[in-house]
Amino acid sequence: NAGVTQTPKFQVLKTGQSMTLQCAQDMNHNSMYWYRQDPGMGLRLIYYSASEGTTDKGEVPNGYNVSRLNKREFSLRLESAAPSQTSVYFCASSEALVGIEAFFGQGTRLTVV
Amino acid sequence: LAKTTQPISMDSYEGQEVNITCSHNNIATNDYITWYQQFPSQGPRFIIQGYKTKVTNEVASLFIPADRKSSTLSLPRVSLSDTAVYYCLVADKDSNYQLIWGAGTKLIIKP
Repeated sequence: NAGVTQTPKFQVLKTGQSMTLQCAQDMNHNSMYWYRQDPGMGLRLIYYSASEGTTDKGEVPNGYNVSRLNKREFSLRLESAAPSQTSVYFCASSEALVGIEAFFGQGTRLTVV
Repeated sequence: LAKTTQPISMDSYEGQEVNITCSHNNIATNDYITWYQQFPSQGPRFIIQGYKTKVTNEVASLFIPADRKSSTLSLPRVSLSDTAVYYCLVADKDSNYQLIWGAGTKLIIKP
């Protein structure tokens, strides 16, 4: 039972390059999330998807785009990476949007040089 | 925004009970209080959630007073493996009830 799987686990990008972070969950959850976590800080919500076919901005959406490909998969795209986007990115899923336990992936450590 | 305040760090010893208190003065009527645990290089893991009074599971207890402006996570008989960052969260009704994450409490358990 994999839970939430993120790929890749590590990535180094040059400024201006683009990439897509992949996330898949096998728990049949409706809601999925992308967070970033900077050193010594809590998580900040980038985008979320309440259900298949919907996406909404979170606290820090600038510089990112997302796609809810189907119920299982939610991808995060950086179109033109900047050093300020160096962070650890976490994908999460939950049965519903409000007041429900969320399950997190292991994270993607992204460095933009 | 609904925000929480908790100590930046705490120390304790193996076998002790640890209580981490969180204040959330602006909690909304329908908000639940949720606690997560995070180990280095891992995603957060749900510990416990409650609305009022006391909730207990196999890992922890959560105490919430009647005014709900604070809550206390209680970890019984901690071990070295409980060393982690603990986050207290409430939902923000102004942003579709998304959870607002603070910096958490770094708990260090000593032998």
